[in-house]
Amino acid sequence: AQSVTQLDSHVSVSEGTPVLLRCNYSSSYSPSLFWYVQHPNKGLQLLLKYTSAATLVKGINGFEAEFKKSETSFHLTKPSAHMSDAAEYFCVVSDSSGGYNKLIFGAGTRLAVHP
Amino acid sequence: EPEVTQTPSHQVTQMGQEVILRCVPISNHLYFYWYRQILGQKVEFLVSFYNNEISEKSEIFDDQFSVERPDGSNFTLKIRSTKLEDSAMYFCASSIKPPGTGANVLTFGAGSRLTVL
Repeated sequence: AQSVTQLDSHVSVSEGTPVLLRCNYSSSYSPSLFWYVQHPNKGLQLLLKYTSAATLVKGINGFEAEFKKSETSFHLTKPSAHMSDAAEYFCVVSDSSGGYNKLIFGAGTRLAVHP
Repeated sequence: EPEVTQTPSHQVTQMGQEVILRCVPISNHLYFYWYRQILGQKVEFLVSFYNNEISEKSEIFDDQFSVERPDGSNFTLKIRSTKLEDSAMYFCASSIKPPGTGANVLTFGAGSRLTVL
């Protein structure tokens, strides 16, 4: 069965410093992986997706993630945090095992950005 | 940018009451979903819907739950007799691609928070 583990429930960074949100996945075959972000009172917004093309994926707002099959990881990074990046981030794997795919969510990482 | 809209944003109900959560998916999307997140827990898949029928549902989606697309625009989730454990944030989503076709990107709404007392 597919699953994702987000290794940190909370991450706190200073504005202008790098962001690293960690995610490990478990999949019996080549997965589709996503990062979604949720700002307060907003929907879940897609940041980026990996679908077996380039292993380094660039997303919106300066975020990127690297798919590392040997480490079963899909960590999310950003070189320089902005106050507006404060939100909850979800690592997600697509489970196609039943013929129809559904999204399997990690527990989420809450990112705090301090001035 | 097209959005998925959900109403109400917050509903408080008494245990045993029926609740209907409404969603307006993106207009050219054909596949519809409900997910939920109980406070402090992961976002969980409930059901997917295509061509006026359920295509997949989870173990959570028991006989107390139903979905329909009554008028070609709204997509509703009904809980017939709410229980305390139904308290959660319910997210509607839609997609244009069929499930199972690689990167099936879902667009989510802002959620409806249901509180059962």
